Amino acid sequence: QLQESGPGLVKPSETLSFTCTVSGASISSNNYYWGWIRQPPGKGLEWIGNIFYNGDTYYNPTLKSRVTISVDTSKNQFSLRLTSVTAADTAVYYCAGLRRDHLKYMDVWGKGTTVTVSS
Amino acid sequence: QTVVTQEPSFSVSPGGTVTLTCGLSSGSVSTSYYPSWYQLAPGQPPRTLIYTTNARSSGVPDRFSGSILGNKAALTITGAQADDECDYYCMLYMGIGTVAFGGGTKLTVL
Repeated sequence: QLQESGPGLVKPSETLSFTCTVSGASISSNNYYWGWIRQPPGKGLEWIGNIFYNGDTYYNPTLKSRVTISVDTSKNQFSLRLTSVTAADTAVYYCAGLRRDHLKYMDVWGKGTTVTVSS
Repeated sequence: QTVVTQEPSFSVSPGGTVTLTCGLSSGSVSTSYYPSWYQLAPGQPPRTLIYTTNARSSGVPDRFSGSILGNKAALTITGAQADDECDYYCMLYMGIGTVAFGGGTKLTVL
């Protein structure tokens, strides 16, 4: 299971920070990338980025300049930082596990956390 | 940058069959993209329906099926039900650690 935590409300130009806690599995598994996906209101799913437990990261080119994903294996958690936010970053943010083996799909999802960017 | 394309909306009659597709703005979708499909209902997290083109996720009824049709991945729903009315997203594996979602298809059952 995955569980996101996030700030709920942030002001424009601030930094968004989220944490995803993985339970029932080791974040150090060779079988998974751990990732973030978001859905702005009225829009579709947008992949933000993935991380492997060794710290290798993969980002959506459209967000890469503002995104950092990190992993803390001691806490079985991974995190997302998004800088210089605007109203366009208002969304439901999901964490998910992407199978790294021959299956290559998101087979576990968090419930999502809603963030609003507003002054 | 290559974009993953889906029909913005589709309508099906109750009991009917509908096929949603997932393509690329440049090139063809093949099994090498490991297409997967997700159902997104309001207020719920995504539910995985299909992975690696045509494998059903645990608990998904067999009226959901996946395939490659021509140069696109496809999700077919047979015997559509009222609670199938929601949004459907395909995802393609674009390379090491990298994925892309389609824009989603809003399915109406009426």
